[in-house]
Amino acid sequence: GNSVTQMEGPVTLSEEAFLTINCTYTATGYPSLFWYVQYPGEGLQLLLKATKADDKGSNKGFEATYRKETTSFHLEKGSVQVSDSAVYFCALIYGGATNKLIFGTGTLLAVQP
Amino acid sequence: DTAVSQTPKYLVTQMGNDKSIKCEQNLGHDTMYWYKQDSKKFLKIMFSYNNKELIINETVPNRFSPKSPDKAHLNLHINSLELGDSAVYFCASSQVGTGRGSPLHFGNGTRLTVT
Repeated sequence: GNSVTQMEGPVTLSEEAFLTINCTYTATGYPSLFWYVQYPGEGLQLLLKATKADDKGSNKGFEATYRKETTSFHLEKGSVQVSDSAVYFCALIYGGATNKLIFGTGTLLAVQP
Repeated sequence: DTAVSQTPKYLVTQMGNDKSIKCEQNLGHDTMYWYKQDSKKFLKIMFSYNNKELIINETVPNRFSPKSPDKAHLNLHINSLELGDSAVYFCASSQVGTGRGSPLHFGNGTRLTVT
C-alpha cells in the first residue's frame, strides 16, 4: 500500500545549524509529495510541495526535492532558527477522486539558542 | 478571515456522552476531511466528503458519524464517548480536480478529552 516513512525524532540542533529530515515513500504510480509543519498548540500548515519527479519545493528557507529514483523527499534548511521548532510531517497524495493525504509519523525539531 | 474553522477548540466531557464538532471552510473547496491525531502526533484520516457525498470512510467505529449539510460544512458527531476517543481532531478541505494532489488546508484542531 501507499505509505510514508520519516526519521524518528526528536532532532535537536543549535541555532544556525544545517537541518535534514529524511522522508521516503512507497506508492503506486506517481504521488504528489508534501511537507507540513505543526507549531506547538497549532494546526497543520503546508510548508512546501512537489508534484512530479525532480520538482523542488521551497518555502521559508526550507527545500525538498522529489527523487523518484530513491523514492525520497528529504527536507533541508541551511540555517535553522529557534522559531523553526515544531513537528514536521512528510505526506503524500496518490491522486484519484479521493485526494487522500497520507502522513508520516512526524519528526519533532527542537532548536536551541 | 479563517479559511477552515472548527468549533469548539477544546471539549472536555465524560464517558458515555454524545458530542459534536463543527467545521466550516470559506475557501470554496469541494472536498472536506476529518483527521484524528493521537497522543504520539500520528495523523490518520477518518472521513472525507466531496460535494456532500461520502468518499472516504476509514475503519472508524460507527459511533462516529460525519454529516455534511453543504459543501462548506462537515460536522462530526460522536456517540457514547470512550476514553480512547481522547485526541485532537482536525478538519481539512481541498479542491479535488484542480490538478495532481491538491494540498489540504487544515483547521486549528479540536482537543477532545474524555474523562
